[in-house]
Amino acid sequence: AQKVTQAQTEISVVEKEDVTLDCVYETRDTTYYLFWYKQPPSGELVFLIRRNSFDEQNEISGRYSWNFQKSTSSFNFTITASQVVDSAVYFCAPHSGYALNFGKGTSLLVTP
Amino acid sequence: EAGVTQFPSHSVIEKGQTVTLRCDPISGHDNLYWYRRVMGKEIKFLLHFVKESKQDESGMPNNRFLAERTGGTYSTLKVQPAELEDSGVYFCASSQDWGTVPDTQYFGPGTRLTVL
Repeated sequence: AQKVTQAQTEISVVEKEDVTLDCVYETRDTTYYLFWYKQPPSGELVFLIRRNSFDEQNEISGRYSWNFQKSTSSFNFTITASQVVDSAVYFCAPHSGYALNFGKGTSLLVTP
Repeated sequence: EAGVTQFPSHSVIEKGQTVTLRCDPISGHDNLYWYRRVMGKEIKFLLHFVKESKQDESGMPNNRFLAERTGGTYSTLKVQPAELEDSGVYFCASSQDWGTVPDTQYFGPGTRLTVL
C-alpha cells in the first residue's frame, strides 16, 4: 500500500491570505493517481481533484491550484485568497489497487 | 442527481449489540466502497464491490464485519457483535466505471457509530 504524509496537522490563516497544504507520498507503482478531498464541518468528503502520474503540469481551478512534483513525490495544494468557507479538513489520497489511501488530513481554519 | 446516501447518520449502541449500516450509491455506479475512520486515525479502506461481487475485502478488520450488496444496488455493512473499538465514522463511496484507471469516488456523508 502507498503511504502518504500530510505533515501539517492544523493551519490557521486570516481571510485573503494564501495557504499551501503539503502532501508527500510513497509508492512503488510507476503509474498512479492522486486525489484531494475536502471535509467541511458538515462531515461529507468532497472530491476536489484527480491527477495521474503522467501529467506533471500544475492545475488551477479558480482559487485552487495544485503543484505535482513527481521527482519529490509531492502533490501540494494551494488556496489563493482564502475565504472563511474554505475552513475544512483537507485530505490527500493516493490511489492503490482499488482503494484510496488517505493521509491524516490538514485542518484549515480561515478566520475573518 | 442524488449523491451517495447513508443511513443512519448516527448510531449509538451497547457493546455486544448488532448494527447495520446502509449505503445507497449514485444511480448507475457499479463500484461501491466502504471506508471508516476511527478516532485519531486515518480514513481506512474496508472493501470494494463491483455490482454485487466483492472485489477486494482486504481492509475488513475481522469476521464481526459483514458487507453485502444484493442485486448490485444498495449495500449494508453489519457489525455483530459490536466492540468499543468499532466506534468511528463509516463512509461509503461509489464510482462509475473502473476500466483500466480508477474512476473518481464520490462519498456519502458517513454514519457515526458509537459503541458504549
